[in-house]
Amino acid sequence: GAVVSQHPSWVICKSGTSVKIECRSLDFQATTMFWYRQFPKQSLMLMATSNEGSKATYEQGVEKDKFLINHASLTLSTLTVTSAHPEDSSFYICSARVPWGGGELFFGEGSRLTVL
Amino acid sequence: GESVGLHLPTLSVQEGDNSIINCAYSNSASDYFIWYKQESGKGPQFIIDIRSNMDKRQGQRVTVLLNKTVKHLSLQIAATQPGDSAVYFCAEKSGGQNFVFGPGTRLSVLP
Repeated sequence: GAVVSQHPSWVICKSGTSVKIECRSLDFQATTMFWYRQFPKQSLMLMATSNEGSKATYEQGVEKDKFLINHASLTLSTLTVTSAHPEDSSFYICSARVPWGGGELFFGEGSRLTVL
Repeated sequence: GESVGLHLPTLSVQEGDNSIINCAYSNSASDYFIWYKQESGKGPQFIIDIRSNMDKRQGQRVTVLLNKTVKHLSLQIAATQPGDSAVYFCAEKSGGQNFVFGPGTRLSVLP
């Protein structure tokens, strides 16, 4: 299978600061990556689709200026939570589609953000 | 839009028994489906997939069944083990690039 890696796994920050989360496809190139948010005991909520070399596509209700997404290379997408507040505390997960077979979606390990 | 569950349904099975996890999907045009396993504090892990031109696909201890008539997908786990305890999500894709996820089912394996 393919490997998608996220960093950091866990981050605690003060309210008002910005936090960057990285998503890397380790053994394949991904022109498209996806960012999700997951609340406890709930399913994955798609936040945005990250496109290499172009602007991300955000889902309805997701603030573009709040959640900045950059997909600068075929193996790296970053999500920056700007001016984080306690309500932004959540589990953030990225995924990427492999460019072979059925285009299976592989997920990163997730990043838990706690904003104090 | 995405499916967001409020409370995860739970399935409890005895160790060694077979588990069946069900998923109803929404789009009759969906042509590709994946089952994921998510352990606490981790990202979803790919288990098995199936295309809409198939009714059944088997993996190691797992079988996915697809009933397009009633838009139903199931995951069968044979001889369930404690390590199978997790939340299981189905995902459907209908054209485009996005997958839509089901609300998830928590599987608890009893000793």
